[in-house]
Amino acid sequence: KNQVEQSPQSLIILEGKNCTLQCNYTVSPFSNLRWYKQDTGRGPVSLTIMTFSENTKSNGRYTATLDADTKQSSLHITASQLSDSASYICVVSPGTASKLTFGTGTRLQVTL
Amino acid sequence: NAGVTQTPKFRILKIGQSMTLQCTQDMNHNYMYWYRQDPGMGLKLIYYSVGAGITDKGEVPNGYNVSRSTTEDFPLRLELAAPSQTSVYFCASSWGENTEAFFGQGTRLTVV
Repeated sequence: KNQVEQSPQSLIILEGKNCTLQCNYTVSPFSNLRWYKQDTGRGPVSLTIMTFSENTKSNGRYTATLDADTKQSSLHITASQLSDSASYICVVSPGTASKLTFGTGTRLQVTL
Repeated sequence: NAGVTQTPKFRILKIGQSMTLQCTQDMNHNYMYWYRQDPGMGLKLIYYSVGAGITDKGEVPNGYNVSRSTTEDFPLRLELAAPSQTSVYFCASSWGENTEAFFGQGTRLTVV
């Protein structure tokens, strides 16, 4: 069964600190991996989308890494801001739009 | 551009009632999707469409119906609402099958 597991479930960090969120998947075949940010009460917003051949991809203070051999991805947030408080969702695509597998997300809270 | 617009944002239904969740996008995307998001769970695909006049079932279609008469609009119909349909519903669209998806703000539905 295709699965996407994210860790930790929740995380609290101080403003200005860095953090790393993890995503392990068992989806096969693999086409791409996506990270989304979901603010409370809002829809998910795309941060990055990475294909098999991409190891690292950045979007501002967000850097995603992908190891397709071990089926692991991470999302690193640098110099966190209060506005980074949100859920971060890892999504794996086998190449078919109807077969995306969503993780349950990591809930990040950035505090003063 | 407005992107993906969903209405209403909130709704309370009584068991057995029906309603239509509206979704429209102004990006001329071919692909549109309806997902539901339950607490502690990853998003689940209800229905999707690859273009006007073409729809297909996702992972959890029971109790729902869709239509796609235009490229812009993809309404989701709930017939005979049940408490199990209490959830947050997201509409999304994408240009292609394996490209970034854009999500609406969501509709929080409670069936009592």
